Amino acid sequence: GESVGLHLPTLSVQEGDNSIINCAYSNSASDYFIWYKQESGKGPQFIIDIRSNMDKRQGQRVTVLLNKTVKHLSLQIAATQPGDSAVYFCAEILSVTGTASKLTFGTGTRLQVTL
Amino acid sequence: DTGVSQDPRHKITKRGQNVTFRCDPISEHNRLYWYRQTLGQGPEFLTYFQNEAQLEKSRLLSDRFSAERPKGSFSTLEIQRTEQGDSAMYLCASSSTGYGYTFGSGTRLTVV
Repeated sequence: GESVGLHLPTLSVQEGDNSIINCAYSNSASDYFIWYKQESGKGPQFIIDIRSNMDKRQGQRVTVLLNKTVKHLSLQIAATQPGDSAVYFCAEILSVTGTASKLTFGTGTRLQVTL
Repeated sequence: DTGVSQDPRHKITKRGQNVTFRCDPISEHNRLYWYRQTLGQGPEFLTYFQNEAQLEKSRLLSDRFSAERPKGSFSTLEIQRTEQGDSAMYLCASSSTGYGYTFGSGTRLTVV
């Protein structure tokens, strides 16, 4: 199948280590942020989200940090597994109401998990 | 209903031909979005429906592109007179509240 993100920045991590993927977003007025995982030949898969009134949110093995001062998001994956290998995108939404609810995606990062 | 379905998964067409893609959203979702993704890039917004009303169109959506959602359920995206630059993955997503988008697996279009 085709490959997503042939020329994307790549992060190589050993299995079991923690991964940190960073993203700069574009609009200081954005209200809502989502991290997606995308495997080759598949659509983006929701991982975790965070609203602009929060600075940290935790899920199962994942944590998202939001720094609105510098317009920066990060995704932390604990105990990275081979199944985590994929391209990761952050996305922002200006407002979930009305017509402003479209997603604007950042530049993706390819995560490679080595054994 | 297990998710967003897109059909076909792959389409190869000759330049100048018309193609149509279908998206079936999650049944209770009233919002439906189309995105386009080229290799090495994140998805880019094309258009958005709330129920049957098309509320926003990107400038990426040239007049060769048209999208419909006639009964507020499934949607179609048609590309007329395809060009090689139209080759991409076309993704559909749906949402009920504006949060928690769910994407389909996409339709990979190759124009030869």
